[in-house]
Amino acid sequence: DTEVTQTPKHLVMGMTNKKSLKCEQHMGHRAMYWYKQKAKKPPELMFVYSYEKLSINESVPSRFSPECPNSSLLNLHLHALQPEDSALYLCASSQVDATNEKLFFGSGTQLSVL
Amino acid sequence: GDSVTQMEGPVTLSEEAFLTINCTYTATGYPSLFWYVQYPGEGLQLLLKATKADDKGSNKGFEATYRKETTSFHLEKGSVQVSDSAVYFCALTPYYGNNRLAFGKGNQVVVIP
Repeated sequence: DTEVTQTPKHLVMGMTNKKSLKCEQHMGHRAMYWYKQKAKKPPELMFVYSYEKLSINESVPSRFSPECPNSSLLNLHLHALQPEDSALYLCASSQVDATNEKLFFGSGTQLSVL
Repeated sequence: GDSVTQMEGPVTLSEEAFLTINCTYTATGYPSLFWYVQYPGEGLQLLLKATKADDKGSNKGFEATYRKETTSFHLEKGSVQVSDSAVYFCALTPYYGNNRLAFGKGNQVVVIP
């Protein structure tokens, strides 16, 4: 199994809603990542988890709250988002968080904030 | 900081044409270089990579050579197919440390039959 599975594929939410994005991998990878991708732009790194601990937070607003409950799962909790947060949210994983490691990406969750 | 520059604008070409997408980088030391591809509605997939000078990465008919003297990693394919239509991102990771990819802006490639 070389897949990173993200759910849901599409999500529409209001600015007062609370929702969560889910990511799962069963490759035994110990590094997991959240990226944000706006239309026609490259992905931007948001968070990195290494061995289930948050190692990098790229100054992301607190309305985005990541969680890594175990080595296979990564969640992104969303609360009080703004319309400008509408984007494709990509999860990725790698064996470890070290340079030169291949990243495996999920298909993403397309988020629309109304 | 480390960065990647890709040629501006989309690329439109006919089936069986030769494809080149330019990529240059700025980095300290010896970064690893990657090409990722994103098909419509999907996440990114690693297409090929090279980890040291003069290395050639290749996959699915695509090639790119790590040129330290020109700080370049241009992507080429001799005969494109309609199925190669996608967005192509050049990227690098630093010589050591975390796996923090620095992406170029990406190039939309459209292959017409």
